[in-house]
Amino acid sequence: AQKVTQAQTEISVVEKEDVTLDCVYETRDTTYYLFWYKQPPSGELVFLIRRNSFDEQNEISGRYSWNFQKSTSSFNFTITASQVVDSAVYFCALSEIAGNMLTFGGGTRLMVKP
Amino acid sequence: NAGVTQTPKFRVLKTGQSMTLLCAQDMNHEYMYWYRQDPGMGLRLIHYSVGEGTTAKGEVPDGYNVSRLKKQNFLLGLESAAPSQTSVYFCASRPRVNTGELFFGEGSRLTVL
Repeated sequence: AQKVTQAQTEISVVEKEDVTLDCVYETRDTTYYLFWYKQPPSGELVFLIRRNSFDEQNEISGRYSWNFQKSTSSFNFTITASQVVDSAVYFCALSEIAGNMLTFGGGTRLMVKP
Repeated sequence: NAGVTQTPKFRVLKTGQSMTLLCAQDMNHEYMYWYRQDPGMGLRLIHYSVGEGTTAKGEVPDGYNVSRLKKQNFLLGLESAAPSQTSVYFCASRPRVNTGELFFGEGSRLTVL
């Protein structure tokens, strides 16, 4: 069975601070995808990134960066110079490539104060 | 391009009433899913379907039934609603080839009194 754990249920930062959201996963499969989704106050789920288990290169997209470490089964997400618009719930998720399901972590609520 | 559409968006039910949530996708996807979202628990899979006429149980299937009579539609039914089913429900779809990404609807907020 696969499992995703986001230990931080809520994080509060002041604008312009950097913040890292942690994600730890468990899977018996060697081939899988990892994801981050954003859920703003409006409620929809916004896809941010997909990473497959073969590619451990870190990725940067603007203020966002992701650190994938297979050795520690972690896929952490960092927002640099946070902004109020980053306030949302962020979900980490796992999908085994040969499987049918996407398993979500419990989510981390990020509040960025002006 | 509509993508994944859920109806209704909001519904209030009394305990014991029945209702059906409809999910429709126009992307010709084979796989469809129903999730529920509860505070602190993320999204949990209720049921899913890998093709027309087939369904399977997810993590939390009790109290729900589903049907996939047409490829583009996936219905989620509550036969006798309970307050524990108060939640936000999300439908999602993906193509047969697993790129991993799911395409989500906007969610349906259900309150059971």
